[in-house]
This record gives sequence, C-alpha cells and structure tokens, in this order.
Amino acid sequence: DGGITQSPKYLFRKEGQNVTLSCEQNLNHDAMYWYRQDPGQGLRLIYYSQIVNDFQKGDIAEGYSVSREKKESFPLTVTSAQKNPTAFYLCASSRGPGPYEQYFGPGTRLTVT
Amino acid sequence: GENVEQHPSTLSVQEGDSAVIKCTYSDSASNYFPWYKQELGKGPQLIIDIRSNVGEKKDQRIAVTLNKTAKHFSLHITETQPEDSAVYFCAADSGGGADGLTFGKGTHLIIQP
Repeated sequence: DGGITQSPKYLFRKEGQNVTLSCEQNLNHDAMYWYRQDPGQGLRLIYYSQIVNDFQKGDIAEGYSVSREKKESFPLTVTSAQKNPTAFYLCASSRGPGPYEQYFGPGTRLTVT
Repeated sequence: GENVEQHPSTLSVQEGDSAVIKCTYSDSASNYFPWYKQELGKGPQLIIDIRSNVGEKKDQRIAVTLNKTAKHFSLHITETQPEDSAVYFCAADSGGGADGLTFGKGTHLIIQP
C-alpha cells in the first residue's frame, strides 16, 4: 500500500523546545517537500529536497531545519527560534523536482504553548 | 518567482448548481496546473490537472480550463453535491524551477442543501 505518512497527527510542546516531525514515503519519489498551513494563508513552502543528502530553503525556512539521509525520509525540526510555530504541517513528495503531481501526507498539527 | 492568485476565498452554492473557482499566475514559463481538494484535518488530494499544451480537461463533473495568453485557469464543478464541500487549491509549477509548485490561498466551497 504505497503512500506518504506523517506522525504524530497531533503534537503539543512547550515554548523553547525543539520538536521533530516525521515524514516517510514508500513511493520511490526523489523529491520531498515541507509546507506550513495557516488559516487563510494557503500552503507555504518551508524546505524541499530534490535528492538524498541535498535540500534547499523555501519561502519561510527561518526557524526550521531538515535532513535527507534516506530517500524515504525527510524529517522537519521546528526549533525554538521559530517565532510562531503553532500550525498545520504538511509533507509531500513527487517523482522529481518540477512539474509533477505532489502527493501529500495527512499532516501534523503542532501546538506550542 | 511564480505568484498564484485565487478567487473567491469563499464560495457558497446550492446543491445541484455549478461552482467556478478562478486562478491567475505570473510566470509565463509555467506548464503544469493542478487542482487539489482538502477536507478538514486532512492533506490535500489531487482532483484534476492540466498541462499547457491542452486548453480544457474534463473528468466527470469536474473540468479545468486554461488560457495561457491571459495566464489564468479555472476549475468548474457541475451538479454539486454535499461531498464537494471542502477547500480547493490551485497551483502552478515554477517554469522549470526545482521548488515544485506554488499554491493559491484556497477557496472554501460550501454546498448548501
């Protein structure tokens, strides 16, 4: 059963703590993406990776970090430097960079208090 | 980079009527225009897409039209049903760039019984 998974679905953290969101895909896709979604803001790109061991900043990368050590996995760390981390986070993958369908995971809702 | 504008932000229609959502884009090099449907608390799912060598594409009650000269594309849903209620996003690729897709801010479609 191919797809993209994110865990956990809900995550609660205290202010000042780093937190890592998981994203795994078994679609054999080269490219992976992280988006942040806020009400009325649409999807904003945080980081993307075209290939293993390589990644680039998106439009709102400040306060976030990623790694791409395996093709299947693209974890996102929300650091204490992110000023407003409470949001819905979506991971996606596509067979390559550029004009291809992106497949989305179910999302992780992060609440920081 | 690419900029995608989407209108309206909210659309309420009577069950059985048609719904139209419109998007404009800025990068004339863009060639791929997908539409995603997002239900509450879930990740977006592709419902239809169109490439620049085609002016119109239809899949049952859903159709997309593309006007490359004017740089706009539209989603048409006919015979709307309660299960069509969701948030819809348009997107465009970045004309050869590796950062994937740029998304509009979304349209909340409400189907009134």
